[in-house]
Amino acid sequence: QSALTQPRSVSGSPGQSVTISCTGTNSDVGSYNYVSWYQQFPGKAPKLIIYDVTKRPSGVPDRFSGSKSGNTASLTISGLQAEDEADYYCCSYAGSYNYVFGSGTKVTVL
Amino acid sequence: QLQLQESGPGLVKPSETLSLTCTVSGGSISSIYHYWAWIRQPPGKGLEWIGSIYYSGSTFYTHNPSLKSRVTISVDMPKNQFSLKLASVTAADTAVYYCARRENAMDSWGQGTQVNVSS
Repeated sequence: QSALTQPRSVSGSPGQSVTISCTGTNSDVGSYNYVSWYQQFPGKAPKLIIYDVTKRPSGVPDRFSGSKSGNTASLTISGLQAEDEADYYCCSYAGSYNYVFGSGTKVTVL
Repeated sequence: QLQLQESGPGLVKPSETLSLTCTVSGGSISSIYHYWAWIRQPPGKGLEWIGSIYYSGSTFYTHNPSLKSRVTISVDMPKNQFSLKLASVTAADTAVYYCARRENAMDSWGQGTQVNVSS
């Protein structure tokens, strides 16, 4: 089972919007609305920021939003802030209580 | 507030068994709503799903054949802990190992523990 495909890096200026794609297959992303996104700072544990494709846990700013079309899920950060500079990982349910993570994307705030 | 804490040796010799424990506090491991998971991250690389366990003892392991045959996850309800054993380790198993709680997604994580495989 291969990792979901994410761009290695994306960048944007403060206030801009950036979108990270997460491409899987019809065995994972395409079959289930159980895509989640995680934010990870260097040396820290990942933090859940989106689950069930579009839902935000309590406390996560609404500038983070998720969507899905076919085998590709996306995370959009609107109104990019310096504190959003981190690594982001998608994750999808892949059936049989199994999950697969994305390859990770580094977001740089210019 | 739920907290998870990984513990175990930071150095394991090649061909030996890696053993880690995750202690859950501020919540019960016997929750019917949650599964308990292990995830790892090799240095400079992405996250890798290892597997999960339900309080009943039902286990669900990665489909990755290089891991699946070597992994055992168990639960100790009286101690509110769950554990990971990975047999026959090699240098490729060097990673930060995380435990996490899963409901709809992995909503709580331990801080992670570095495990190096080296002689």
